[in-house]
Amino acid sequence: EVQLVESGGGLINPGGSLRLSCAVSGSTFTNVWMHWVRQAPGNGLEWVGRITSKKDGETTEYAAPVKGRFSISRDDSEKTVYLQMNSLKTEDTAVYYCSHGAPPSSFFDYWGQGTLVTVSS
Amino acid sequence: DIQMTQTPSSLSASVGDRVTITCRASQGIRNYLAWYQQKPGKVPKLLIYFASTLQSGVPSRFSGSGSGTDFTLTIGSLQPEDVATYYCQSHNTAPHTFGGGTKVEIK
Repeated sequence: EVQLVESGGGLINPGGSLRLSCAVSGSTFTNVWMHWVRQAPGNGLEWVGRITSKKDGETTEYAAPVKGRFSISRDDSEKTVYLQMNSLKTEDTAVYYCSHGAPPSSFFDYWGQGTLVTVSS
Repeated sequence: DIQMTQTPSSLSASVGDRVTITCRASQGIRNYLAWYQQKPGKVPKLLIYFASTLQSGVPSRFSGSGSGTDFTLTIGSLQPEDVATYYCQSHNTAPHTFGGGTKVEIK
């Protein structure tokens, strides 16, 4: 059974930094392209970014609102993907989900349960 | 970047009704279109990908069609358990934009 478990969310001041983790089990992690999707309270889904597999160059892409502030990395030995969030803004407040599909697709069969990030003073 | 526009933003229909949701891409995405269902307080669930391929385990009353810029999700006979918000998503090239969502309720 494929499981994705996010952690690292919490309350952070505007301008601060936070790193989210997503631990994956049950998948051939080295092959999958990992994505982050967020959902602000009461709002819709917003794609945040993705990292390809090592064999595909571990290339990253980001949505415009987070480009230059967020970065995604992965540790295949730990089967974990990370979302480093810097210069956080109140509008980054959301539940953050990690997700993936069958590589190299960018539709998502598998989702974590999400971790809440609240940016507020 | 591609923008995805869903209509309507909400709808109310009776059990057994045929329900149609539309998604329009700001530029052509061939058939790289997915649909998700999200029930309140739950994680999104993949329904359809490549515009018309039904994900395993999804009831056959759900169907998708379209190509290029215009796509449709149809629920053939609305059931009470279909109350949810539905999202389209471009899964062509990044950014993989989602539509704004369509909230489906029972009349």
